[in-house]
Amino acid sequence: AQSVTQPDIHITVSEGASLELRCNYSYGATPYLFWYVQSPGQGLQLLLKYFSGDTLVQGIKGFEAEFKRSQSSFNLRKPSVHWSDAAEYFCAVVSTGTASKLTFGTGTRLQVTL
Amino acid sequence: DVKVTQSSRYLVKRTGEKVFLECVQDMDHENMFWYRQDPGLGLRLIYFSYDVKMKEKGDIPEGYSVSREKKERFSLILESASTNQTSMYLCASSVTVQSSGNTIYFGEGSWLTVV
Repeated sequence: AQSVTQPDIHITVSEGASLELRCNYSYGATPYLFWYVQSPGQGLQLLLKYFSGDTLVQGIKGFEAEFKRSQSSFNLRKPSVHWSDAAEYFCAVVSTGTASKLTFGTGTRLQVTL
Repeated sequence: DVKVTQSSRYLVKRTGEKVFLECVQDMDHENMFWYRQDPGLGLRLIYFSYDVKMKEKGDIPEGYSVSREKKERFSLILESASTNQTSMYLCASSVTVQSSGNTIYFGEGSWLTVV
């Protein structure tokens, strides 16, 4: 069965600093990978997704992620963090087959200091 | 834009009550999902449905059931609510497009408190 690990529960960065959120997956075949963001009290918004092709994926809000098969990783990055980026971030992998279910990591909460 | 609507954002129910959480999507998606979100545990899949009247158990189905009588609507039912079902519940939907992968769209969530 597929699984996702986000090793960092909580990260604090200064506004304007760079950001990298880690995600490792376990999946037998080529994975479909996602990053979602959740602001307090809200649902999940898709930041970006990887299905195939270029391993560097660009998303919304200036985020990008790089798929590294050799490391089973799909880390999320942003060159310069804004205070509005404070939220919880979830990495997910989708299974193929019936309904293509998403399996989520436990999330990383990002705090941004001014 | 895809719209997934959860009609109840905040609910407070008593132990033993029967609770219905409703979800409607407007994009003719085949697949619909119910997740539960708890701090430190991320999102866990309760049930999903890949067609009308079709349903499958997810990872934590105990204490829950679902109903999908129409394609656009997917209901989560707590037959007898218990305090350990206090949580945020997220509905989602997607279309099955295997060649390009499936983007799953989420509602804004329903906060359920069982007292």
